[in-house]
Amino acid sequence: GENVEQHPSTLSVQEGDSAVIKCTYSDSASNYFPWYKQELGKRPQLIIDIRSNVGEKKDQRIAVTLNKTAKHFSLHITETQPEDSAVYFCAAFESGAGSYQLTFGKGTKLSVIP
Amino acid sequence: DTAVSQTPKYLVTQMGNDKSIKCEQNLGHDTMYWYKQDSKKFLKIMFSYNNKELIINETVPNRFSPKSPDKAHLNLHINSLELGDSAVYFCASSQGGLTGTETQYFGPGTRLLVL
Repeated sequence: GENVEQHPSTLSVQEGDSAVIKCTYSDSASNYFPWYKQELGKRPQLIIDIRSNVGEKKDQRIAVTLNKTAKHFSLHITETQPEDSAVYFCAAFESGAGSYQLTFGKGTKLSVIP
Repeated sequence: DTAVSQTPKYLVTQMGNDKSIKCEQNLGHDTMYWYKQDSKKFLKIMFSYNNKELIINETVPNRFSPKSPDKAHLNLHINSLELGDSAVYFCASSQGGLTGTETQYFGPGTRLLVL
């Protein structure tokens, strides 16, 4: 099965700085890579995603890059704000033969210091 | 936001009891999931279920049984609850299918505490 490694587990940045979270996956059959943000006590919510046929995607201050050859993908948040503080999860999705499985990384707790 | 809803929101119960958590989605999605998030915040899939097939994760004890009365509902029944079952359980749904979007929408979570 798929194995997703996520680093770092915690990350503190000053407001206005950039934050980068990195993930690697093991199964080359995975073809969809979402990122979820989970605020304290709330549900995970999708913030950005990327498919295996795309190398980079950007949405305002958030961007994701994917290197299929190396099997790693990264989340980049620029001009961080206190409301960006949350736990971020990367995930890899594998579908086929009746299986729809999203495997999550262990999460990165991001703290943005005002 | 009631796209994916779960009940109850909180569940406190004694060891050995049997309990159920209900999940409903009104997005018309074909695929639903149950996740367990432990105290370390690790999100782990338990089951995925689409119109045609229930896929059981091998690491889930058979005390956990999903039941889907229809496409919009996927309930989770837990028998003989143990202390280690304490966690937050999230239901999620996605459109599914080979040409559908895999984006998953999560319910608000059910916080289960086994005493």
